[in-house]
Amino acid sequence: EAQVTQNPRYLITVTGKKLTVTCSQNMNHEYMSWYRQDPGLGLRQIYYSMNVEVTDKGDVPEGYKVSRKEKRNFPLILESPSPNQTSLYFCASWGGLAGTSYEQYFGPGTRLTVT
Amino acid sequence: GQNIDQPTEMTATEGAIVQINCTYQTSGFNGLFWYQQHAGEAPTFLSYNVLDGLEEKGRFSSFLSRSKGYSYLLLKELQMKDSASYLCAVRDRAGGYQKVTFGTGTKLQVIP
Repeated sequence: EAQVTQNPRYLITVTGKKLTVTCSQNMNHEYMSWYRQDPGLGLRQIYYSMNVEVTDKGDVPEGYKVSRKEKRNFPLILESPSPNQTSLYFCASWGGLAGTSYEQYFGPGTRLTVT
Repeated sequence: GQNIDQPTEMTATEGAIVQINCTYQTSGFNGLFWYQQHAGEAPTFLSYNVLDGLEEKGRFSSFLSRSKGYSYLLLKELQMKDSASYLCAVRDRAGGYQKVTFGTGTKLQVIP
């Protein structure tokens, strides 16, 4: 089954304690992206990746890091989480630039609370 | 940059038709998407328009006018399960990367 998986689904942590949210896709997609979703603000892009070892900042990258060492995996790292990073996070992947590869597939989401 | 506007909330009756509008401003338009998102769940793809006109897919249709920077999603024969948020998203090819920017979504409530 084609899917994007994220772990953990729920996480409560404290300020300053480093954490990683994993994302994996099994569709051999070139593009992957992380979004955060907050009430009234919609989905905002944090980072994206166009292929292995190619990543770039989205609209709200401060406080986050990513890596793309393998095509299928795109972890999101919070080195020193703060309460303003409390949010619902989605990972997404899609095929590429042309044809029918425009549809984004989203993971189930990770609800993060930083106290 | 991009600016995407859609109504925050709408209410419609089961069995009826509802139209959700989206206006956008972008420098390098290269496609418009509609996604459905139920509360607490991931967005799921509904439609994609890159040329002017109407795309029909079952009970859902999406329309695009590039010259007006305008799109709408039309939902027919509304069902209770259609209660969800509907996200308009625009793809922009400016800068070489085909960035997709999402609007804040329209929360649709279907009532009996």
